[in-house]
Amino acid sequence: DTAVSQTPKYLVTQMGNDKSIKCEQNLGHDTMYWYKQDSKKFLKIMFSYNNKELIINETVPNRFSPKSPDKAHLNLHINSLELGDSAVYFCASSQRGTDSAYEQYFGPGTRLTVT
Amino acid sequence: AQTVTQSQPEMSVQEAETVTLSCTYDTSESDYYLFWYKQPPSRQMILVIRQEAYKQQNATENRFSVNFQKAAKSFSLKISDSQLGDAAMYFCAYRSTTSGTYKYIFGTGTRLKVLA
Repeated sequence: DTAVSQTPKYLVTQMGNDKSIKCEQNLGHDTMYWYKQDSKKFLKIMFSYNNKELIINETVPNRFSPKSPDKAHLNLHINSLELGDSAVYFCASSQRGTDSAYEQYFGPGTRLTVT
Repeated sequence: AQTVTQSQPEMSVQEAETVTLSCTYDTSESDYYLFWYKQPPSRQMILVIRQEAYKQQNATENRFSVNFQKAAKSFSLKISDSQLGDAAMYFCAYRSTTSGTYKYIFGTGTRLKVLA
């Protein structure tokens, strides 16, 4: 069973389009994250939700909007895509108060290419 | 604010040899978690090892071990008997245990090459 899954794994689209990336975790975790990894492999946190509540909202253009319909899902919608949005986007989850407290589990990543 | 620094952008090791990847961090907190993650070419982020700051004993996981120096704020990863499959990007990460804090701070990564 996949712990953290993302769809799609690859996304190629043109500038100006709107796209969504979906994330689901079956670990029962209460916190989920979106990260952006640029071409230099730098991992930058974008958003985090805890029990469906937005708790981290880094300096990210408001073209990016996360949505958490329930604590097992965290989706990322991007409006008016720009060339600079090309990157790998990772979803992750974590859970406090367990033996593996604070470990983050990552999805496989979504490689977004904007042309 | 906490920071994590990996000063080695790239390292090479001969197969079967030992290599150490460096990580330093800055924090004013006394309790926290530190992690090493591996990202192979498949791009999947894989947890390698975890260290709780309150534990003096260094964590080990098979061929992977850490040298945790709390006073020096240093958290290096030692890989023994290096294998070709160890070739990857390695990220050091910090996580506060302060209630209400959820952010992980990642270093910039070290690319490890394993030479046959």
